Amino acid sequence: GAGVSQSPRYKVTKRGQDVALRCDPISGHVSLYWYRQALGQGPEFLTYFNYEAQQDKSGLPNDRFSAERPEGSISTLTIQRTEQRDSAMYRCASSRQGRVGEAFFGQGTRLTVV
Amino acid sequence: SQKIEQNSEALNIQEGKTATLTCNYTNYSPAYLQWYRQDPGRGPVFLLLIRENEKEKRKERLKVTFDTTLKQSLFHITASQPADSATYLCALGASNAGNMLTFGGGTRLMVKP
Repeated sequence: GAGVSQSPRYKVTKRGQDVALRCDPISGHVSLYWYRQALGQGPEFLTYFNYEAQQDKSGLPNDRFSAERPEGSISTLTIQRTEQRDSAMYRCASSRQGRVGEAFFGQGTRLTVV
Repeated sequence: SQKIEQNSEALNIQEGKTATLTCNYTNYSPAYLQWYRQDPGRGPVFLLLIRENEKEKRKERLKVTFDTTLKQSLFHITASQPADSATYLCALGASNAGNMLTFGGGTRLMVKP
């Protein structure tokens, strides 16, 4: 696609519910990253993939958070048993594999847990 | 622990002047450093990358310096314009294996006409 696409743009969920956030990277981009951004802060790394392989998940806050990219393209970040502290902007980025260079960010999913 | 500091206060300058933003880091040995621009409600947009063995990089009105001894990067916008008003984020990468970045908190730049 023309850019990184994330859906939904906004998600309001009740505490305790599970949510799934979707990222569709730029076509041909092998590397995909998930970040979380609080208001007024920079993005915080969560996890990343090369193709379908999860390379690093050290930034995931706890075991309620998981991510997958089964076919090496679209990725899903799942948060189980959501808590209010999970409320944030979740951003996905993609880049060409193994190249240090620009990461292309999507517009994000604003998650609000009530 | 690793720490990346950017001035959290907004930088206000007059159109036509040079804006200089600072990024300091501690407990980190980055292989490279990137600068991003972020507008309200949008995702960060890549501007420049500089590697640890480079002192300076330029792109049009932008200039970045990288001092690994001082653990500091400076980001300059010359002949600033109101359209340059945005939040600017620095991000550090630990290796050449990919774009796993650690971001600073960003500095908001306001360029007044």
